Amino acid sequence: DGGITQSPKYLFRKEGQNVTLSCEQNLNHDAMYWYRQDPGQGLRLIYYSQIVNDFQKGDIAEGYSVSREKKESFPLTVTSAQKNPTAFYLCASSIDRGSTHEQYFGPGTRLTVT
Amino acid sequence: GDSVTQMEGPVTLSEEAFLTINCTYTATGYPSLFWYVQYPGEGLQLLLKATKADDKGSNKGFEATYRKETTSFHLEKGSVQVSDSAVYFCALRTNTGGFKTIFGAGTRLFVKA
Repeated sequence: DGGITQSPKYLFRKEGQNVTLSCEQNLNHDAMYWYRQDPGQGLRLIYYSQIVNDFQKGDIAEGYSVSREKKESFPLTVTSAQKNPTAFYLCASSIDRGSTHEQYFGPGTRLTVT
Repeated sequence: GDSVTQMEGPVTLSEEAFLTINCTYTATGYPSLFWYVQYPGEGLQLLLKATKADDKGSNKGFEATYRKETTSFHLEKGSVQVSDSAVYFCALRTNTGGFKTIFGAGTRLFVKA
């Protein structure tokens, strides 16, 4: 089955440590996205990538970094510079051609930093 | 800039009640409109979409009509079930301004048996 996988589902880290969240898709989608979701709030865009080896900052990129070395993979690193990293992180992908622009989401990773 | 406003929750209904979740938008150009649903502890799933004015999206008994004159895309269902309890997000995507999808804040729905 095609889809998006994120691992791990739960992640715990000490303050001051960098942590990398995995996102893999086998949908052959060109575009991939990272969102942050806080309790009771909507989604905020962290980074997105339309093609391999290229990515753009979203609305809240400070303290985060990404890479897009392969079409299937778009890992997100939460650095120690991120002041409030505890949140639910969602990865998504989309085809971005023609009129189809809906996004397909992974199951999310809940990061807790203490 | 582009934005989506949806009614605040939580919305609490009894099983078989009629559901409306209001969504209005502000956008340049001609956006595509979406409703996504998020079940507890999971990612979002596309529920339905509409890509042009007067289109009606429908899925699993849910419907929404793209109203350009009122810039609205309200979600409706005639008879809700307990299994519909989730958070519902209205979203838009324009063909201008890059490849961003703008999400509303989400509306939590509780359905009681």
